[in-house]
Order: sequence, then C-alpha cells, then structure tokens
Amino acid sequence: DGGITQSPKYLFRKEGQNVTLSCEQNLNHDAMYWYRQDPGQGLRLIYYSQIVNDFQKGDIAEGYSVSREKKESFPLTVTSAQKNPTAFYLCASSKGVTDTQYFGPGTRLTVL
Amino acid sequence: SQQGEEDPQALSIQEGENATMNCSYKTSINNLQWYRQNSGRGLVHLILIRSNEREKHSGRLRVTLDTSKKSSSLLITASRAADTASYFCATDLSGSARQLTFGSGTQLTVLP
Repeated sequence: DGGITQSPKYLFRKEGQNVTLSCEQNLNHDAMYWYRQDPGQGLRLIYYSQIVNDFQKGDIAEGYSVSREKKESFPLTVTSAQKNPTAFYLCASSKGVTDTQYFGPGTRLTVL
Repeated sequence: SQQGEEDPQALSIQEGENATMNCSYKTSINNLQWYRQNSGRGLVHLILIRSNEREKHSGRLRVTLDTSKKSSSLLITASRAADTASYFCATDLSGSARQLTFGSGTQLTVLP
C-alpha cells in the first residue's frame, strides 16, 4: 500500500517545548516538503529536500528544523523559537521538485 | 510572497451547475497545477498544464492556460455535492527557484 503518512494526526504542545512531526513515504520519491496552512489560507513552504542529506529553507523556515537522513523520512521539528506554531502542517513528496506532489493527511498542532 | 492568486475566494452553486475558478500569477512559469483539499485533509492533485499547453481535460475538469495574461482557469462541469472543497493553483516558476508556490485557494460549496 503506497503512500505518504504523517503522525500524529493531532498534537498538543505546551509553550516552550520542541515537538517533532513525522512524515514517511514509500513512493520512492526523491523530493519531500513541509508546508504550513493557517485557517482559510493557502500553503506556505517551510522546508524542502531534493535529495537525501540535503534540504533548503522555504519561505517561513524560522523556528523550524528538519533532517533528511533517509529517503523515506523527512521529520519536522517545531522549536520553541517559532512564535505562533498553532497550525495545520502538511508533508508532501514528489519524484522531482517540479513534479506532482502527493500529500499526507496532515498534523494539526495546537500550542496550549 | 504569493505567486498564484485564486478568484473568487468563495463560490457557492447548485448541484448540476458548472463552477469556474481563476488563478492569476506574476512571473513566468514552467507549469501550473490544480489541487483540491477537503476540509482538514491533505491536498489531492487534479491536473497539470505545461506552459506550452493551452487547454487540458480530465473527466469533468477542464483547465485553460493563457500565458500572455498570466492566468489559468479551472472549470468543473455538472458539479456534485462531493465537489465541495477548496481548490488551489500552484505554479512552478521558471528559473532557479524550482519549487511550487500555492495560491490562497477558492472555497467551492455545491448545494444539493
């Protein structure tokens, strides 16, 4: 069963804590992405990775960090430096950076 | 910065009617893609149109691209209640910044 998965679906965090969101794909895609979506808004790119062990900042990378140690996995850490982290986070993957992106179901993060 | 902007922001129609959404963008593109998002879910790819194409069809979907006007339209014919969702255009910019940039979306409501 091929696809892209994110966990957890809902995540609650206290202010000042770091939290890591998981994203896994078994589509053999080289490129992976993290987006943030606020209510009624479009997607904003946080980080993307074109290949293992390489990643680039997107438009809103401040307060976030990523790693790409394996082709299948692209975890996102929301650090305490992120001023307003409550949002819906979407992970995606694609064969190449300009190909069709396949999205995971998302993680809704709420900071209490 | 926002590259693609959808118009209208919200659209409400009766089942059976056609729905037209527009996307305008600012700089040259390699391709333009349309995605759909059901509430609280990930995005699903609908159709990709390349910069040298003018029209593309997929089932009840028809996409046009006018590069001279830097605009695209998505037409959904014979709409159904299940088409209720947000629709986003995403542009692949020409040049070195090879990543997709998403617009803020059109919220379509199809009334039964």
